[in-house]
Amino acid sequence: AQKITQTQPGMFVQEKEAVTLDCTYDTSDPSYGLFWYKQPSSGEMIFLIYQGSYDQQNATEGRYSLNFQKARKSANLVISASQLGDSAMYFCAMREDAQGGSEKLVFGKGTKLTVNP
Amino acid sequence: GAGVSQSPRYKVAKRGQDVALRCDPISGHVSLFWYQQALGQGPEFLTYFQNEAQLDKSGLPSDRFFAERPEGSVSTLKIQRTQQEDSAVYLCASSLVWGRDHHFGDGTRLSIL
Repeated sequence: AQKITQTQPGMFVQEKEAVTLDCTYDTSDPSYGLFWYKQPSSGEMIFLIYQGSYDQQNATEGRYSLNFQKARKSANLVISASQLGDSAMYFCAMREDAQGGSEKLVFGKGTKLTVNP
Repeated sequence: GAGVSQSPRYKVAKRGQDVALRCDPISGHVSLFWYQQALGQGPEFLTYFQNEAQLDKSGLPSDRFFAERPEGSVSTLKIQRTQQEDSAVYLCASSLVWGRDHHFGDGTRLSIL
């Protein structure tokens, strides 16, 4: 089974509107971390936001927030007030903390976001 | 520098040649990771170091792939007898132990002809 599922291959949003990128995950580990990364066409991976499984509050970083629904195993990224520069691939990733000491991340297939003027 | 540095940025090799890719992590970052990203896909884990110890190499696709980090800082990923399916972007990342983010380098785009 896929550990990280991103069901939206592509999303479109109008500039200045909000957009939600979906991510569901699968783990039996009670301790884990969820990450979102942005990858523009230039190729670099830019860290956006982190949510720990035991964090009480949903994570927020500027215009990015993570809608963490633990029971549903979902960790959707919300981008408010979209900008043209937000056009990029977005990857959701998970680190399972009981995987024999390995800190590796498992990534989803990504969602390509296009912001229209 | 302040970020993770990878070299070369681009590498073209003929099938059967050996290649070596270098990663210089952020100073003080204990954890170092290598990922492989095929075109249009998410990164796939290759291997992980904590200081000089290679704690997880479960993602290395074959024994042609070898990684080392002998002094706990710079790391090298070596691919022997390259094949066309090795063509990909190789990403290096570093973090504090159990850190809240992986800092990625810009990657090395490897093309095997």
